[in-house]
Amino acid sequence: SAVISQKPSRDICQRGTSLTIQCQVDSQVTMMFWYRQQPGQSLTLIATANQGSEATYESGFVIDKFPISRPNLTFSTLTVSNMSPEDSSIYLCSSMVSIYNEQFFGPGTRLTVL
Amino acid sequence: AQSVTQLDSQVPVFEEAPVELRCNYSSSVSVYLFWYVQYPNQGLQLLLKYLSGSTLVKGINGFEAEFNKSQTSFHLRKPSVHISDTAEYFCAVSFDNTDKLIFGTGTRLQVFP
Repeated sequence: SAVISQKPSRDICQRGTSLTIQCQVDSQVTMMFWYRQQPGQSLTLIATANQGSEATYESGFVIDKFPISRPNLTFSTLTVSNMSPEDSSIYLCSSMVSIYNEQFFGPGTRLTVL
Repeated sequence: AQSVTQLDSQVPVFEEAPVELRCNYSSSVSVYLFWYVQYPNQGLQLLLKYLSGSTLVKGINGFEAEFNKSQTSFHLRKPSVHISDTAEYFCAVSFDNTDKLIFGTGTRLQVFP
């Protein structure tokens, strides 16, 4: 299986600031995904991050608010920009590992915006 | 539009009783189907998956699920639950052989002694 780590595991931020979340996979993967899980809710896909191209965003999510980098096949970052309390959520990254035909998830980053 | 529905937001059950968590999806294209479990304050763990072949899929921790194409369902079952099965369960679907997962709203399974 793939092992995915995220940093930070949690953070408390002030309104108007930005936070960058890092995601590291222990093997090379083509596709990485970023999800948001709002309190008591299910997971919503924010964007798909492919190495060497711009991320593809889902409806309701825009690059200015959630810029994503994918510099290589094992790493990605998600930035939550100009934060407001509504951005308080758990942010999870995942990767599709073709040989297993399944997505593996990181442990999540719990973000609280005051 | 492609969607995943988990009709039961909460399922209370006594220990050692059987349980079924329902999942339906709306699509006429081919699908891959998954069940994930999320224990309190933990990440997502894959319980089982259906990609092709036998419609009855066995997973970890004694769970199984059956793919019913005509009813577009993938219900999760366990014949005898344990206190430790208390968690949030998510059904997820990958439509038309893409890698994107669409998640259902989740079902909270609460097992009582």
